[in-house]
This record gives sequence, structure tokens and C-alpha cells, in this order.
Amino acid sequence: AQTVTQSQPEMSVQEAETVTLSCTYDTSENNYYLFWYKQPPSRQMILVIRQEAYKQQNATENRFSVNFQKAAKSFSLKISDSQLGDTAMYFCAFMMWGWAGTASKLTFGTGTRLQVTL
Amino acid sequence: NAGVTQTPKFQVLKTGQSMTLQCAQDMNHEYMSWYRQDPGMGLRLIHYSVGAGITDQGEVPNGYNVSRSTTEDFPLRLLSAAPSQTSVYFCASSPDRRATANEKLFFGSGTQLSVL
Repeated sequence: AQTVTQSQPEMSVQEAETVTLSCTYDTSENNYYLFWYKQPPSRQMILVIRQEAYKQQNATENRFSVNFQKAAKSFSLKISDSQLGDTAMYFCAFMMWGWAGTASKLTFGTGTRLQVTL
Repeated sequence: NAGVTQTPKFQVLKTGQSMTLQCAQDMNHEYMSWYRQDPGMGLRLIHYSVGAGITDQGEVPNGYNVSRSTTEDFPLRLLSAAPSQTSVYFCASSPDRRATANEKLFFGSGTQLSVL
């Protein structure tokens, strides 16, 4: 079974600064995907960024980037130029690569609550 | 587009009562799933479906039933509610039955359930 660990329950960052959220996972699989989801106070789950395990290049989406270390099973999220709207709960998630006809399932970490302050 | 619609948004039940949480999507998605979110535990998969007539158990299926008679709807039934089922419930869908990273998971806005 896969496990995802987020060891930082809460973090705070000042507006315009950079913050890094940590995530580690455990799996014996070689092919999988990793995700970061954002959950603002509205409760909506929003996909921030995703990474395919077979890709060595780290994924980036505007101000969001990841540091994917496959051997260390680490998947951290870096938010640059933090904005007040980034205040939210952030979840790291793991999904095995699924064969045709089977369903892949997301395994979530416990989340990190990020507060962006003025 | 409506996307994934969950009803109700809030519900209070007494122990032993039954109810159905509704989930509907209008995107013709094959894959649908239910998660529960508890403080300090992240989201956990309850049940999922890869198409009409096909359902399977997730990580925490006990106490919940599902059915998928149409592509659009995936209701979650609590036959006899217990306080341990107090949680926020999310429905999610994806175009691909495998729900791979090639296709984004679309989440509903959640149902907050309290069982007294």
C-alpha cells in the first residue's frame, strides 16, 4: 500500500516571499503520478500541479514548481511570489499508473495549512 | 458547465438514520468516486466506479453503499448513520475510467455531514 506523508501541519509566509511545502511518499511501484491539490476555504479541491514519475524534469505551473526526487521519494511544492489568494490547505497525493480497464486511485497526505500574510 | 454537483451541501442526521448523498456530473465522465475528508487524515477513497453498472470498494467502504445505474449519477448511501461517519464528503469524476494523470479529476464542492 502507498502512503503519503506531509510533516508540516501549518506554515506561514509573507506576501511576495517564497515557501516550500514538503511531501514524502512510500511505494514499491516504478510508474506513478504525484499531485498537489489546493483547498481554499470554499472547500473546492483544485489541482495545482502534477508530475509523472518517469519524467526527470520537474513540473512547473506559473508560480508553482516542484522538486521531485524519485530516489528519495520526495515531492516538495515551491510557491514563488506568494499571494494572499494562495492561503489554503495543500494536499500532496499519489496515484499508481493504471492498466487499461482498472481504476487508479488517489492516496492523499494529511495536508499543510498555508497562511499568506501581509 | 455545471461540472460535478453534490447535494445537499450540509446535512445533520441522528444515529441510525439513513440517507443518500447525491452526486451528478454532466461531462459524460466514465470514472466517478467518493472520498471522505476528516481532520488530520486527508481524503480517503470510499467507493469508485469505472462506468455504469460497475462499482468497487476503496480504502474505507464499510457503512456505505453505492450504485451506478447511469453514467451521470453516483449516489452514496448511508444505511444506518453512525457518529464516526461525521465528515466532509467529496465526489470526483474523470473522463478516463482509469483516472490517470492524463485526465484531470473534477471535484464537487462537498457535503458536510454531521451524525449526532
